[in-house]
Order: sequence, then structure tokens, then C-alpha cells
Amino acid sequence: DIQMTQSPSSVSASVGDRVTITCRASQGVSSWLAWYQQKPGKAPKLLIYVASSLQSGVPSRFSGSGSGTDFTLTISSLQPEDFATYYCQQANSFPLTFGGGTKVESK
Amino acid sequence: EVQLVESGGGLVQPGGSLRLSCAASGFTFSSYAMSWVRQAPGKGLEWVSGFSASVGGTYYADSVKGRFTISRDNSKNTLYLQMNSLRAEDTAVYYCAKATQVASLFEYWGQGTLVTVSS
Repeated sequence: DIQMTQSPSSVSASVGDRVTITCRASQGVSSWLAWYQQKPGKAPKLLIYVASSLQSGVPSRFSGSGSGTDFTLTISSLQPEDFATYYCQQANSFPLTFGGGTKVESK
Repeated sequence: EVQLVESGGGLVQPGGSLRLSCAASGFTFSSYAMSWVRQAPGKGLEWVSGFSASVGGTYYADSVKGRFTISRDNSKNTLYLQMNSLRAEDTAVYYCAKATQVASLFEYWGQGTLVTVSS
């Protein structure tokens, strides 16, 4: 199974900050990676798919990069509605696996 | 508009069974791979089971293999998860999720249904 390791597990940031979250796969997943945002009590929301493609309707302050084993989600200028937990997920092979999550909190 | 509506959750005793349903609308259900993803209280996301987007077939997490069965009825636009021999650690919110056209990356999610396994 492919293990997905996210870091950090939490980050404290202020509105306007640039926030970067990393995800490392235990083996190569090509570009078959997505990033999701989840708020308490809500279903996850797709932000980025195939590593760097922005899902329709998602603000352009979100961007993704990477391929193979190392990936990054960047929020260029954090907005109040961005405080949430973020997950990466690989779809290169079954079983599909998620990272442990990164909680973005207000400083 | 794509909609995924889960049902069938509830309280069940350890060793019991439950069948979850996910009613889909707003897209050609038969053309897309679907999965179940769960989230235990206060924990992260765990993929449970799904249909492959590319090669077909069904897949399961090791934690549920042999106990859970995924199925779909394309005539009813419905995804199912039959859960047998339930354990306390199966307690979670269960989401159904629709994959993109090219890979099992999930562009739409249902609202989730809570399964509680407890005596």
C-alpha cells in the first residue's frame, strides 16, 4: 500500500499569509494526486486534481505542484474562509490512500 | 446539478449488519467510478471501497476486506455498501463519492451517513 505523509499536521497562520502544505508518497504516484478541503461537519471539497489542476469554482489563490513522490499545496494569501483541514489523496493504485490531514488554524 | 444522498446509517450492535445506500442524480451514473470513504469521529479520511475508474472491478481496504461488499444498480442510479460483522472501529461517518472521468479522485461527495457500532 502507498502511504501518504502530510506535513505539518497543523499550522497557525494569519489572514494574508502564504501557507504551504506538503504531501509525500511512499512510492511514486505519477500525478494521480488530489487535495481536499474539509470544514467541521461538512464533506470534503475537491480543490486540486492530477496534482496541479484547479477544480472549477476554486479560487486561484490555491495551487498545487509536484509529481512522483513529493507534492505541495499552496494558499497564496490566506482568507478567513480557508481555515479548515486539508487532505491529500493518491489515486495511482488501490487501495486509495489519504494523508493524515493538515489543520490550518488562526494565529 | 450532481447530488449524492446517503442513507441507511444508524446504531448497530457489534457483529451486526447494515446496508448503506447512495442515491445519485445529475450525471450519467453508469459512466463513473464510485467509492465509499469514511471518517471516524475526530479522525482523518479513510477510503473503504470502490469501483475502479479505468480497469473496472471492485477494491477494498484491508480493514474491511471479507466483511464489506460494494455494489451498484445502474438502473436505479444507486451505490450500496453491505457491511457485515461490524466492529466498534467501523464507527464513522460514511461518505459516497463520485470519481472524475480519468481517475479515482473525488469531485463530488454526499453529506455522509453516521454508522455507530456499539452495544
